[in-house]
Amino acid sequence: DVKVTQSSRYLVKRTGEKVFLECVQDMDHENMFWYRQDPGLGLRLIYFSYDVKMKEKGDIPEGYSVSREKKERFSLILESASTNQTSMYLCASSLLSGGYNEQFFGPGTRLTVL
Amino acid sequence: RKEVEQDPGPFNVPEGATVAFNCTYSNSASQSFFWYRQDCRKEPKLLMSVYSSGNEDGRFTAQLNRASQYISLLIRDSKLSDSATYLCVVNIIGTASKLTFGTGTRLQVTL
Repeated sequence: DVKVTQSSRYLVKRTGEKVFLECVQDMDHENMFWYRQDPGLGLRLIYFSYDVKMKEKGDIPEGYSVSREKKERFSLILESASTNQTSMYLCASSLLSGGYNEQFFGPGTRLTVL
Repeated sequence: RKEVEQDPGPFNVPEGATVAFNCTYSNSASQSFFWYRQDCRKEPKLLMSVYSSGNEDGRFTAQLNRASQYISLLIRDSKLSDSATYLCVVNIIGTASKLTFGTGTRLQVTL
């Protein structure tokens, strides 16, 4: 079974803190994605990566950065957390390129910024 | 206008009922289509892909109408365990592996 794990299920941080969200997949997938999910807005793509050290902006990259130093690991960084970044963050991975491949999601990290 | 639009529901149906969800997409360059299921407080999981000819998986039938730019999901003989949010998902040509998600339709199956 494909497994995507995220470092924390729940996280509480203060405004201005630097926040790291880690995601690891164990199926040697090329593509990895970070989304946030908010009520009424659905899943929105923040960043994605199709190879080590490669990254592409998604639909809402402002306030976020990412790092992919190893194929299995994709990190999302909030340089200076703000209250409007309180959300559910979901990581996903998929095999190869193209839009025909299933994305496998991690369990999510619910981040609260106070 | 949202790229993928769904009725948020909730659809409340009794066990055994047949229920159908529709989803419309705005970009005619959409090339692949999916339904994902998301249980409460869980991650989304692929339910089924949607093919041009329509496809069936047990009690679930998905159809695509490219001319009208909508896809549908039909669930027959609903079970309590079908209660979830169903996400309509498309991939647009030229966007590599990016998927665009609808906000979901919530289904509640009751006794």
